[in-house]
Amino acid sequence: EVQLLESGGDLIQPGGSLRLSCAASGFTFNTYAMSWVRQSPGRGLEWVSAINGGATATYYTDSVKGRFTISRDNSRNTLYLHMNHLRVEDTALYYCAKPPHDYQDYPFEHWGQGTLVTVSS
Amino acid sequence: DIVLTQSPGTLSLSPGERATLSCRASQSLASDYLAWYQQKPGQAPRLLVFGAGASNRATGIPDRFSGSGSATDFTLTISRLEPEDFAVYYCQQFGSSPRTFGQGTKLEIK
Repeated sequence: EVQLLESGGDLIQPGGSLRLSCAASGFTFNTYAMSWVRQSPGRGLEWVSAINGGATATYYTDSVKGRFTISRDNSRNTLYLHMNHLRVEDTALYYCAKPPHDYQDYPFEHWGQGTLVTVSS
Repeated sequence: DIVLTQSPGTLSLSPGERATLSCRASQSLASDYLAWYQQKPGQAPRLLVFGAGASNRATGIPDRFSGSGSATDFTLTISRLEPEDFAVYYCQQFGSSPRTFGQGTKLEIK
């Protein structure tokens, strides 16, 4: 059974940094692209970032480019999102998500339960 | 970025009725790649249908859910509503990056 378990969300001041983790199990982690998706009342669902299975290619939505870094440790079956220069508008529930097949990075068939990031002074 | 506009914002129907939800893209989607998700309160989105024309059902999804459409106009149809189908539905496009979502349609019990 595929399981994705996010952690690392917290209350953080604007300009701060945070690292989110997503522990994966139940599938061959290093063969699947993985993504981060966030959800907030004001912005709805928003794809944030993706990384391929071998960690040789990464993708970001424009609003986080230069501030967020996606990475993975395939030896630990763990996906990360390093978040710097956090803004109030980054406040959201952050999900990690996995596609149904290893040859595409979409759509998102498996999701974690989410971890909450609140950016506020 | 491709903007997805879902309509209606809220749909009020009764169990047993047919639901038709719309998703319109601001640009034609390459390879017609669109997916539909269902989300209930406190839960992550659940993949329903995806692929060319959003016509492939995800694992375990009942056949009362079906997707259709092409280019800029896509539809999710629920043939006969069950009580557990009342939720919020989102479309997402994979034709280009970023992989944008629609704003959602709330399907509520009439």
